[in-house]
Amino acid sequence: DIQMTQSPSTLSASVGDRVTITCRASQSVSDSLAWHRQKPGKAPTLLIYKASTLESGVPSRFSGSGSGTEFTLTISSLQPDDFATYYCQQYDSSWTFGQGTKVEVK
Amino acid sequence: QVQLVESGGGVVQPGTSLRLSCAASGFTFSNYAMHWVRQAPGKGLEWVAVIWYDGNNKYYADSVKGRFAISRDNSKNTVYLQMSTLRGEDTAVYHCGREGKAAAARGWIDPWGQGTPVVVSS
Repeated sequence: DIQMTQSPSTLSASVGDRVTITCRASQSVSDSLAWHRQKPGKAPTLLIYKASTLESGVPSRFSGSGSGTEFTLTISSLQPDDFATYYCQQYDSSWTFGQGTKVEVK
Repeated sequence: QVQLVESGGGVVQPGTSLRLSCAASGFTFSNYAMHWVRQAPGKGLEWVAVIWYDGNNKYYADSVKGRFAISRDNSKNTVYLQMSTLRGEDTAVYHCGREGKAAAARGWIDPWGQGTPVVVSS
């Protein structure tokens, strides 16, 4: 099974900060990688798929990059709505999620 | 708009069974694979099962294989998760989710339902 490891597990930041989250796969997943955001008590919502394609309606401050085993999610200017937990998800071989990165107020 | 609404969760004793349902609307249900994903209290997301758009293929996480069964009724726009021999570690919120692309063999999950809670406790 493919394991997905996110770093950091928790990130403290302020509104306006540039934020980067990393996701590493235990083996290559090509570009079969999605990013989801989950606010407390809510369902996750898709941000990015195919490693770098922005889902329709998602603000352009979100961007994704990477391929193979290393991927990043970047938020160019953190907004109040972005304090949440972020998950990467691979779908190259079965489906696996990273353990999550919580973005909290600094 | 696309909507997924789960139901059927509750408090059950270890060793018993429970069936979850997910009612879909706002899209052509029979064109999409459907997933179940769970989230234990305070934990991350764990993929549970998927069923192909036509019901012909089903896959499960090792943690539930042999105990859970996914099925669908395309005439009712509903996907089910039959859970048997439940354990304490099955306690979680269970979300259904749609495959991101129609008739896709494998892809991202989008959108997600709000989830239904399952508590396994004596």
